[in-house]
Amino acid sequence: DADVTQTPRNRITKTGKRIMLECSQTKGHDRMYWYRQDPGLGLRLIYYSFDVKDINKGEISDGYSVSRQAQAKFSLSLESAIPNQTALYFCATSDPGGYQETQYFGPGTRLLVL
Amino acid sequence: TQLLEQSPQFLSIQEGENLTVYCNSSSVFSSLQWYRQEPGEGPVLLVTVVTGGEVKKLKRLTFQFGDARKDSSLHITAAQPGDTGLYLCAGAGSSASKIIFGSGTRLSIRP
Repeated sequence: DADVTQTPRNRITKTGKRIMLECSQTKGHDRMYWYRQDPGLGLRLIYYSFDVKDINKGEISDGYSVSRQAQAKFSLSLESAIPNQTALYFCATSDPGGYQETQYFGPGTRLLVL
Repeated sequence: TQLLEQSPQFLSIQEGENLTVYCNSSSVFSSLQWYRQEPGEGPVLLVTVVTGGEVKKLKRLTFQFGDARKDSSLHITAAQPGDTGLYLCAGAGSSASKIIFGSGTRLSIRP
């Protein structure tokens, strides 16, 4: 079984709808992250959490919110989806490792907002 | 704001050829990582370089960290179709609170 799982893997929604992307991990890591990937822009950080009670905004948090329900679960919500939120979304986990920290990524969720 | 620029953005070469991909910044990083991402999957870490001038080898892949820790290169010798994918560099600052990713190099190896 995969260490980091994301559901759904693909989602089509309409402008204005609220959607939630979910991430679960079995690696026992405290740190979890949400990124979005757009062609030519690499990975951009949306939110990150260093433990259950910690939530931090990343580079592009506007229009998104997150919830850390447990050490193993970190969900991303789009309160009112818009077309420019069409992207590939990745969840990642890591253990504290200073500047040699390794991030482990899920398989991604492909989101299309019409 | 720290930025990492990768070049080239796209590269398509014949099997057996050599290639080099670059990752450049005006900022100093405590470490530089290279990830490979295949279609339908998330990025997977290949290597982390920490010391200025450091060279690491992973089979046919050679990674180098610039002396000033602002840039890095990935050299592939005798490319194979299995090397096809998106290569991402990522830099970590001294606080390590987050990692900055480059825009990626999409590599295609033709049989």
